[in-house]
Amino acid sequence: AQTVTQSQPEMSVQEAETVTLSCTYDTSESNYYLFWYKQPPSRQMILVIRQEAYKQQNATENRFSVNFQKAAKSFSLKISDSQLGDTAMYFCAFMSTGNQFYFGTGTSLTVIP
Amino acid sequence: NAGVTQTPKFRILKIGQSMTLQCTQDMNHNYMYWYRQDPGMGLKLIYYSVGAGITDKGEVPNGYNVSRSTTEDFPLRLELAAPSQTSVYFCASSYTGADTQYFGPGTRLTVL
Repeated sequence: AQTVTQSQPEMSVQEAETVTLSCTYDTSESNYYLFWYKQPPSRQMILVIRQEAYKQQNATENRFSVNFQKAAKSFSLKISDSQLGDTAMYFCAFMSTGNQFYFGTGTSLTVIP
Repeated sequence: NAGVTQTPKFRILKIGQSMTLQCTQDMNHNYMYWYRQDPGMGLKLIYYSVGAGITDKGEVPNGYNVSRSTTEDFPLRLELAAPSQTSVYFCASSYTGADTQYFGPGTRLTVL
């Protein structure tokens, strides 16, 4: 089975600063997808960003970008110009070729005004 | 366009009771998923479906059953509820497996 590890249970960042959340995964597959989902206090899960493993270029979505290191099986999320609305749990997720999804245990991010 | 809806929002069950969690999506998505989220943990996939009439097990299927008779609906059945099934249950849907998953608001289930 695949595993997804998020080694930072909690993090904080000053408003307008940059923060990086870590994620590592374990798989023997060569083609897969990686995701970062955000879960604010409302509990609603929202997709932040997605990366296809066969693409070498790192995905970006406005203030959110990833550092995808396929050989190292690392998929970190960088949030630039942090905003109060970024306060949430962030989950890293892996999708196998068999449509199986695996989520990490999450990182609780607090943006401090 | 309601997205993904789940009912009920909250439920308390006694050990051994059964219930069905309802999930409906109005986005004509092919893929639907059921997850559970235990306190302080990430989501674990229970079952998923790639289209009407097709379902498959996820990481933690024991104690649950699903069916997919229409594109819109994907109910999750709990038989003989156990305290270990106390969790928040999320339903999600996507157009394809690699696309954005849209999540419902969740059902908080407590088994006493």
